[in-house]
Amino acid sequence: SYELTQPPSVSVSPGQTARITCSGDALPKQYAYWYQQKPGQAPVLVIYKDSERPSGIPERFSGSSSGTTVTLTISGVQAEDEADYYCQSADSSGTYADWVFGGGTKLTVL
Amino acid sequence: EVQLVESGGGLVQPGGSLRLSCAASGFTFSSYEMNWVRQAPGKGLEWVSYISSSGSTIYYADSVKGRFTISRDNAKNSLYLQMNSLRAEDTAVYYCARVAVALHDAFDIWGQGTMVTVSS
Repeated sequence: SYELTQPPSVSVSPGQTARITCSGDALPKQYAYWYQQKPGQAPVLVIYKDSERPSGIPERFSGSSSGTTVTLTISGVQAEDEADYYCQSADSSGTYADWVFGGGTKLTVL
Repeated sequence: EVQLVESGGGLVQPGGSLRLSCAASGFTFSSYEMNWVRQAPGKGLEWVSYISSSGSTIYYADSVKGRFTISRDNAKNSLYLQMNSLRAEDTAVYYCARVAVALHDAFDIWGQGTMVTVSS
């Protein structure tokens, strides 16, 4: 089955830039999405279509894609950004039967 | 306010059944595709099932195929997940999530989740 691979954890100091990667063989062909999840809360969409930001999401959140890797970048990290982040995509068939989430990355703000 | 509210979770014995509901408000429910996503305690997100806006197209993850049934009642603005033959590994928080076609099929609205515990 298709898998998306994320690092388990990323740590940064406030004001620094955090980069969270997500790797998958079908990413050159399929869009990726990113969700933020704080403890005890539902996930929140922060990036769609690899690099688009939904309304209401701060500009410090951005996304990019290169080959089989997509990256969520948080510039000028704030304490409130500490959360788990999940990438989502589909395998090469692209049907709704193939939605996959990465394992998640815990962002720690030091 | 656009909102999804899940209900129906609880403690059930292995082999038992449970029906989850997701009540939608603040938007035209009948126009949106929907999903169920679950999260086992301390684990990541797992997509469970998808249903089209009319209910005519349905997909399931292999892990629940043949045991779970997704459905919807557009007149009642509600989404359902009938879960049968439950196993310990089905223990999770279950979220309903709306598909935003305008956002290239991102899951743009999520409910707060309902906990399902399968244990004897």
